[in-house]
Amino acid sequence: DAKTTQPPSMDCAEGRAANLPCNHSTISGNEYVYWYRQIHSQGPQYIIHGLKNNETNEMASLIITEDRKSSTLILPHATLRDTAVYYCIVRVSSNTGKLIFGQGTTLQVKP
Amino acid sequence: DTAVSQTPKYLVTQMGNDKSIKCEQNLGHDTMYWYKQDSKKFLKIMFSYNNKELIINETVPNRFSPKSPDKAHLNLHINSLELGDSAVYFCASSPRVGSRDGEAFFGQGTRLTVV
Repeated sequence: DAKTTQPPSMDCAEGRAANLPCNHSTISGNEYVYWYRQIHSQGPQYIIHGLKNNETNEMASLIITEDRKSSTLILPHATLRDTAVYYCIVRVSSNTGKLIFGQGTTLQVKP
Repeated sequence: DTAVSQTPKYLVTQMGNDKSIKCEQNLGHDTMYWYKQDSKKFLKIMFSYNNKELIINETVPNRFSPKSPDKAHLNLHINSLELGDSAVYFCASSPRVGSRDGEAFFGQGTRLTVV
């Protein structure tokens, strides 16, 4: 599974969009980009995933560059409850299901 | 209803003891996992079971023994506990291996403290 690089921390004002970048320059053609988050003292929570097209769900949007070497998770209107560690993970969908977590980005949403 | 539930939530025990953590999922998933999150917050997979069969064992000491009585349960038994075993242990489940939408659902974690 490809490695990912994320900034260690970011701040965002409440109500504004939070844009969390992720680099995955060694991604393979059959690897998906997954995003999870971990709110303090809770288990990780799935957010969204995609292969090459942009994806949107009720939680967030995922923008993947055309060359697939990077992606951005967008939380359109961040709230204080979105303060968490956000993990970008790339993996083959048909593998064992194992998730390899990096250090992630600690997002602090401020009032 | 809680999708993935672990018990206990907190566990404090002395070195050398044997303890178990239980996990149950009511999502009908085929695959279950144990992850460990250490004091530096790194999350790392330990084991994975698919339909009661072990498919991942990430070089975990054999003091750790997972047991899956059925596909809805994956318990973790730890023998001869050591100080370094102190961590938060997360159970997770996902649809069958190879599923296109294989997002994992995690439990709330068990904080194990060995004294």
